Amino acid sequence: QVQLVESGGGVVQPGRSLRLSCAASGFTFSRVGMHWVRQAPGNGPEWVAVIWFDGSDKYYADSVKGRFTISRDNSKNTLYLQMNSLRAEDSAVYYCARDLRKIAFDVWGQGAMVTVSS
Amino acid sequence: EIVLTQSPATLSLSPGERATLSCRASQSVGTYLAWYQQKPGQAPRLLISDASKRATGIPGRFSGSGSGTDFTLTISSLEPEDFAVYYCQQRGDWPPKWTFGQGTKVEIK
Repeated sequence: QVQLVESGGGVVQPGRSLRLSCAASGFTFSRVGMHWVRQAPGNGPEWVAVIWFDGSDKYYADSVKGRFTISRDNSKNTLYLQMNSLRAEDSAVYYCARDLRKIAFDVWGQGAMVTVSS
Repeated sequence: EIVLTQSPATLSLSPGERATLSCRASQSVGTYLAWYQQKPGQAPRLLISDASKRATGIPGRFSGSGSGTDFTLTISSLEPEDFAVYYCQQRGDWPPKWTFGQGTKVEIK
């Protein structure tokens, strides 16, 4: 079945780095765009970044631009999010999500918790 | 940046009743609007895309309507499993940015 599984979350100090991974299965990963969406406790979701199916284009939310990098390895069916210079306000559950025609997110992972704290 | 405003913040209804949720955009988004359902401890689930297209596997009691700046999600007859938080979401113009509303909680009255 179609599935996305995130990994790599944890507790990290402010200013440090963390890399999230998202393993995809059950669909042709190399043909679809992929997103990262985060959700802080008690808040609504916040879109973070998108990468096109072939990695040719990437876009970021202003809140993470210059600190986060989205990438993918289509040979491994895996999406990544490299997070540098982490701040307390980056603490959230991070979801990877499949793109639906650049409009919506039709498949979501179970999420990876990231806590930025000293 | 386009802002989505959802109303009401909380909707208190009984099973079997009709739920009407509103989402208003600060400027036109055409039909680039989606609706999601989220239950505690779970990821959001896509219900509606393109303002009115039900996603795969979504029951017919869920329907979406609207275009431009005003959108509505209707649940025709609430089932016990429908009590949750609902978010609208839009994709802005170029460069693309996707934003969510603040959510409407549908709770049991």
